Amino acid sequence: GAGVSQSPSNKVTEKGKDVELRCDPISGHTALYWYRQSLGQGLEFLIYFQGNSAPDKSGLPSDRFSAERTGGSVSTLTIQRTQQEDSAVYLCASSLASGLDQPQHFGDGTRLSIL
Amino acid sequence: SQQGEEDPQALSIQEGENATMNCSYKTSINNLQWYRQNSGRGLVHLILIRSNEREKHSGRLRVTLDTSKKSSSLLITASRAADTASYFCATAEARETSGSRLTFGEGTQLTVNP
Repeated sequence: GAGVSQSPSNKVTEKGKDVELRCDPISGHTALYWYRQSLGQGLEFLIYFQGNSAPDKSGLPSDRFSAERTGGSVSTLTIQRTQQEDSAVYLCASSLASGLDQPQHFGDGTRLSIL
Repeated sequence: SQQGEEDPQALSIQEGENATMNCSYKTSINNLQWYRQNSGRGLVHLILIRSNEREKHSGRLRVTLDTSKKSSSLLITASRAADTASYFCATAEARETSGSRLTFGEGTQLTVNP
C-alpha cells in the first residue's frame, strides 16, 4: 500500500488480557517508530527500530510492553496484562531513514480500550 | 515527557482569516517540525525548519523559528474550513541510539468556521 497500515483500527479488551498491535510501514522505509497518544494529548515516544540495529526501547512505560520488527518490515507491539491506563491510541510511523531531516509518515493508529 | 508547549490550546476563526499557533521547547534541537492531525487519523507532516533557519514557507504555511527564545510559530493564511484539525509541533535531536525520534507538544485544536 501507499501508506503506513495499522491493524486493528480498534481494539476493546478486558483488563488483564494481552494485546498485539500490528504496523506495516511504507515499503523501503528503514526506520519505524511507535508512539502512544492519550485523549487530547500529544504523542509519547515508545520505541524505535532502525534497520538491523538494536531498537531504542527507552520510551516503553513498563516491562509489560514489548515490540519486535521481523525482517526489517512489519512490527508488532505487545502489551501484556493490560491495565486501564493503557487505553490510548497507538500510532506507528516510518521514515525513509533515521536522518535528522526525514519526515515521519504515520498510520491512522489503533484505538485501544481496556475495560 | 513532553518538551513542547503549544499556545493556544484551541483556536476558532472564520474562513479567510489567518491562524497563528505558537510552540515553545526546552532543549537544543536540530530541527522543528509541524504536523497536522485530523480527527481519528494519523499525523501528516507539514513542514520542517532546521535550527539554522529562521523562516520557511510552504504554500499557505509560514513557519518561524527563534532558537534564542526556543520558540516557533506556524501561520496559516487565508484559512479554509478544511484546515480544521489539531496541529502539533515536534522537535528532533540526533542521538546515536534514537535516530530522529520526535518529541511532541500537546497540540493546538484549530476550528475554521465556514
